[in-house]
Amino acid sequence: EIVLTQSPGTLSLSPGERATLSCRASQSVSSSYLAWYQQKPGQAPRLLIYGASSRATGIPDRFSGSGSGTDFTLTISRLEPEDFAVYYCQQYGSSPGWTFGQGTKVEIK
Amino acid sequence: EVQLVQSGAEVKKPGESLKISCKGSGYSFTSYWIGWVRQMPGKGLEWMGIIYPGDSDTRYSPSFQGQVTISADKSISTAYLQWSSLKASDTAMYYCARMSGLVMPIDYYYGMDVWGQGTTVTVSS
Repeated sequence: EIVLTQSPGTLSLSPGERATLSCRASQSVSSSYLAWYQQKPGQAPRLLIYGASSRATGIPDRFSGSGSGTDFTLTISRLEPEDFAVYYCQQYGSSPGWTFGQGTKVEIK
Repeated sequence: EVQLVQSGAEVKKPGESLKISCKGSGYSFTSYWIGWVRQMPGKGLEWMGIIYPGDSDTRYSPSFQGQVTISADKSISTAYLQWSSLKASDTAMYYCARMSGLVMPIDYYYGMDVWGQGTTVTVSS
């Protein structure tokens, strides 16, 4: 089973700053199978990125994804007030299927 | 508008059975896999399983195989998640989500692009 480890656990930043979130896999993952989600308190998750780097419909271009192999990154170029949330990476592997990372919380400094 | 609407919050006792629902609208319900995701209080997301309403092909996470049953009724565009005997540890928020563009065998993953609002399940004596 592939384990996704996200770091840091919490990122304290100010609006306008750049956020860099890491997702590391315990073994190589196809970029085609890597997605990122945003979840705000009391809300369902929202798809941000799929295929490691493709933005989902309606996602602002300040969100970008990159990476390959075992290391993937979600970057928010300039944090807006609405971007403070928890972010999850997710990957597909033949067994056991899909797994999520444990999440990174981006909080206001 | 494409949407998934889930059934309301449930409060149950240990040992009781439960079936929660997820109704799709605004798209061809039979053409997209639906996934179920658990979120325990204050915790992260866990993938439970998926179903293809077109033919009810179902896949489970090993962690949830035998613990829950996923089904669908394509005639009413609804997917279900059910338990035969609830435990206190089943207390969680449960989300359904559409698996965008998923085709088996999987050669690309477009993510879970439409989510239900979630169903809170509380199991307590």
